[in-house]
Amino acid sequence: DTGVSQNPRHKITKRGQNVTFRCDPISEHNRLYWYRQTLGQGPEFLTYFQNEAQLEKSRLLSDRFSAERPKGSFSTLEIQRTEQGDSAMYLCASSLAALRSSVTQYFGPGTRLTVL
Amino acid sequence: AQKITQTQPGMFVQEKEAVTLDCTYDTSDQSYGLFWYKQPSSGEMIFLIYQGSYDEQNATEGRYSLNFQKARKSANLVISASQLGDSAMYFCAMREGKLGTGNQFYFGTGTSLTVIP
Repeated sequence: DTGVSQNPRHKITKRGQNVTFRCDPISEHNRLYWYRQTLGQGPEFLTYFQNEAQLEKSRLLSDRFSAERPKGSFSTLEIQRTEQGDSAMYLCASSLAALRSSVTQYFGPGTRLTVL
Repeated sequence: AQKITQTQPGMFVQEKEAVTLDCTYDTSDQSYGLFWYKQPSSGEMIFLIYQGSYDEQNATEGRYSLNFQKARKSANLVISASQLGDSAMYFCAMREGKLGTGNQFYFGTGTSLTVIP
């Protein structure tokens, strides 16, 4: 399978615990994005990387959220001290930065987080 | 102001008929891209079609076409010959900025399409 993969697919945690999600992008893609999607809404941008550099973060992103992409390949998204409001689907997407391409993003299956 | 507006929360279409899903956008950039994604009940976002702001012709991909009206800032998705498998949520999205600069994407709230046999 050469698509975007995310692990775990489901995570249930208690309020106050830390959680970490992993995203493996399409191998030749140098851009990686994280989104959050709640029920009935479209994806909400969280952050994106070009290679290992985190180039943009949403102003809505709490300081409890941190993302890394240490070697420019896979990425992790950590949420510290989880709250019930963090319950959502966390989507990862990747794209290939090229001046004459559509810069289409390809999405992974998502990680569904439930905070009890 | 919303960057992407989808005013149809739900739509129904008869199998084999065509359907138009509405999308309007708001940007002051001259260079931007417009996308449509499909999200079935399984949850995975599937890319359907792309239109660049400088593209003069409407984009087409198989049964999907994008009705791009730049002056009205609309980018409606037309699905021809609807199939039962087209039942899903459909999201319109926009990338602002020049190609290659990787600005963030904005998504609408989606339209739920149901194809009736």
